[in-house]
This record gives sequence, structure tokens and C-alpha cells, in this order.
Amino acid sequence: ETGVTQTPRHLVMGMTNKKSLKCEQHLGHNAMYWYKQSAKKPLELMFVYNFKEQTENNSVPSRFSPECPNSSHLFLHLHTLQPEDSALYLCASSPGDREYYEQYFGPGTRLTVT
Amino acid sequence: AQSVTQLDSHVSVSEGTPVLLRCNYSSSYSPSLFWYVQHPNKGLQLLLKYTSAATLVKGINGFEAEFKKSETSFHLTKPSAHMSDAAEYFCVVTGQETGNQFYFGTGTSLTVIP
Repeated sequence: ETGVTQTPRHLVMGMTNKKSLKCEQHLGHNAMYWYKQSAKKPLELMFVYNFKEQTENNSVPSRFSPECPNSSHLFLHLHTLQPEDSALYLCASSPGDREYYEQYFGPGTRLTVT
Repeated sequence: AQSVTQLDSHVSVSEGTPVLLRCNYSSSYSPSLFWYVQHPNKGLQLLLKYTSAATLVKGINGFEAEFKKSETSFHLTKPSAHMSDAAEYFCVVTGQETGNQFYFGTGTSLTVIP
């Protein structure tokens, strides 16, 4: 596997379910990110991890819980979601969190909350 | 505060004609600027980036962009559109003001007419 991978690619869950999204990067990067992409809205940064430490939480509701066990893996744990949480969730990585580093994106997980 | 505005939500061109996707930014400091492309059901792919070096930046697939500080613009161009260029394009600004976070524009959908 190369680049940034995400599993599952599609997920349908009820409002009372608990599920997790997984992201893995094979680029040797130190920073990882979760974004939410909703229709007709700019990408929203949710969480940033740099060297496994969370450095950013953009006022994300507590029903989203990130976990970064090492620099290569990032999880997003989901529980008691709302229908408005349906979106494409994108994971990205970069060498570090400096402004001149580009981010490399995974293909995303399409989440539907019923 | 830093921000980015993509002036057209949708652009339509004929195959073989030039492409122009417009992006204006707002920043008090020297920003880093990026263009990403997203094909349907795919993640974002980096086209090119500007990080205070040469103002004319060449990217992949024949795309280029010019950083114009006086106009606060970073427009994306390509001399001749190909059918495979049909996708969503995002302009991104980052830098000191954003805490090195990526701020995305709302995107421009490019249609290429055969």
C-alpha cells in the first residue's frame, strides 16, 4: 500500500451505533489530520495530530473522538451521531505541521447516518 | 485573518481551450498557497504549491499558477483542457495567521465539453 489509505470507504450507521474510521499513512509523515467535507461547504478541519500529540480540535462535538496511537495510524471513533454528520470524512498527512508542507489525502469515508 | 475566495463555483470550457480558475486570498503575512483537485469519489490530489519562492508555479498535468501579491490572487491556468480535467478544484491558503492550518475555498467545478 502506498500513500494514505482509509477504511471503510462507505459506512451507514444508525444514530445509536458506535463505529470507527481508520486512516493509515505509508509516507513516514509526522502530522495527521481529519477533515469533514459536506456538500456546498468548504472542507472543515476537525483534528490535527503532530508526533502523536493532538494539537488542534476545532470545536468538534464530543460524539467524534480521535485516537492516534502512532504517527502512521489515526482513528475517528463515532457514537450517537446525528443525520447532519453525514458527509465525506477525509484523512490527510504531512511531514510536519509547518505552513509550507503540502498535505496528502486519502480517498475518504462516505458516512451516512440514518 | 487569512481566507481564500474562489470566484467561480462552476466553469465550463471546451476540450482544447484554455482553463482559468480564479482564486483570491486575504492575508497580512506571506501565505503559502496550494491548488488541489478532487475527482468524483476520490480524495484530494495536490496540483501545485507556492511557498514564497518563484511566483510562477508549475504543477502536474500541465497546470500552472501565478502568485500576484499586488492583486492578492493565485489563479490556476492550463493552456488546453482535456476531458480528464473535469473535476472539483480547491484553492487553499495557510500560514502564520491560520496557525499553519489549511483554509480551503468552496471549490470550483470544472466541466470539459467534448
